Amino acid sequence: EAAVTQSPRNKVTVTGGNVTLSCRQTNSHNYMYWYRQDTGHGLRLIHYSYGAGNLQIGDVPDGYKATRTTQEDFFLLLELASPSQTSLYFCASTNANTEVFFGKGTRLTVV
Amino acid sequence: KTQVEQSPQSLVVRQGENCVLQCNYSVTPDNHLRWFKQDTGKGLVSLTVLVHENDKTSNGRYSATLDKDAKHSTLHITATLLDDTATYICVVGDRGSALGRLHFGAGTQLIVIP
Repeated sequence: EAAVTQSPRNKVTVTGGNVTLSCRQTNSHNYMYWYRQDTGHGLRLIHYSYGAGNLQIGDVPDGYKATRTTQEDFFLLLELASPSQTSLYFCASTNANTEVFFGKGTRLTVV
Repeated sequence: KTQVEQSPQSLVVRQGENCVLQCNYSVTPDNHLRWFKQDTGKGLVSLTVLVHENDKTSNGRYSATLDKDAKHSTLHITATLLDDTATYICVVGDRGSALGRLHFGAGTQLIVIP
């Protein structure tokens, strides 16, 4: 069964803290994405990747790093978290056609 | 500039009624369009995908249309249930490959009341 698993599901950290969000897909998809979702906005693309070792910058990359270690695993790193990064984060994977799957989301709160 | 506009922003209907959600976009090229359902604080679940000019799809009580000339899509929900309460998001893919982007609308919040 196609799946995208995010961890943790909830995270609270302090301003200036270091956070890593994890995403694993078992869909044999090459492409993986990190989005953030905030009230009043559609999902906004932070970073994406089309294969292990590849990284592409999205539309709202400031304050975020990402790393794709394998085809299955895509990580989002916040090295100096700020309150403006409080959001709901989604990971997604797609193939070269129209198939796309989303994770259940990670709610991050920066206090 | 927002490339995917959804209307209405929110909608309240009584259980059993039908409703129609609209999506207008300016994304070019428009490879495909997908409708997602998102329960509050949860992930996105795909309802249907439309690919071709004048595509029509049906998935149970959900049906959708796509007019690529007008860059417009509709999602129809018939005989609404309380569990249909959710945000419905229109997403346009600008090509079928990894280098393509998914462009998201802000969603229509549907509330179904008894």
